[in-house]
Amino acid sequence: QVHLVESGGGVVQPGRSLRLSCTASGFIFNKYAMHWVRQAPGKGLEWVAVIAYDGSHKYHADSVRGRSTISRDNPKNTLYLEMDSLTAEDTAMYYCAKGYVTYSSSSGMDVWGQGTPVTVSS
Amino acid sequence: QSSLTQPPSASGTPGQRVTISCSGSNSNIGTNRVNWYQQLPGTAPTLLIYSNTYRPSGVPDRFSGSRSGTSASLAISGLQSEDEATYYCSTWDDSLIGVVFGGGTKVTVL
Repeated sequence: QVHLVESGGGVVQPGRSLRLSCTASGFIFNKYAMHWVRQAPGKGLEWVAVIAYDGSHKYHADSVRGRSTISRDNPKNTLYLEMDSLTAEDTAMYYCAKGYVTYSSSSGMDVWGQGTPVTVSS
Repeated sequence: QSSLTQPPSASGTPGQRVTISCSGSNSNIGTNRVNWYQQLPGTAPTLLIYSNTYRPSGVPDRFSGSRSGTSASLAISGLQSEDEATYYCSTWDDSLIGVVFGGGTKVTVL
């Protein structure tokens, strides 16, 4: 069974950094692009970033570009998101999600984790 | 402000048909395939419709999707109480070079 488990969330002070992780199981990790999507409290879904199946290319949303980096470790079946200079606007539930077409970064997402909450507050 | 436009709410009585629209542009819906996600209260989103019209295994056939030009729609026929959720359309945007979501439509079963 395909499973994604996020970790690394918590309460962080404004201006600090955070590294989120997502551990995958139940599928061939190195064949699929992976995404991060976030959802602020009471708000809709906001795409954050995607990384190609082999890590060869990465795209980030304008709202986080320049202060966030998506990465992956295929032998460890793990996806990461590092975010710097955090502000209150980064407070959200962060979900990792699996692309549903092999080797494609622009397909949708067919499996989502349960999310890890991030609160930016002093 | 979302790149894809959805009505914020929709409602119907049990058994009715509800349709949710999703309006985009040439750089997103006009070029790429649309996916729909269902988010039940307090849970993570799940894929409901992919590639405009296809249902993943386990999704009831009362859910259907369509796309025409720069718009897409999700229809729920035979509305049931367990369909109360927020529904999001999504696709790739070639101009933004990333995924875009609609603002979400909250469906209420009266």
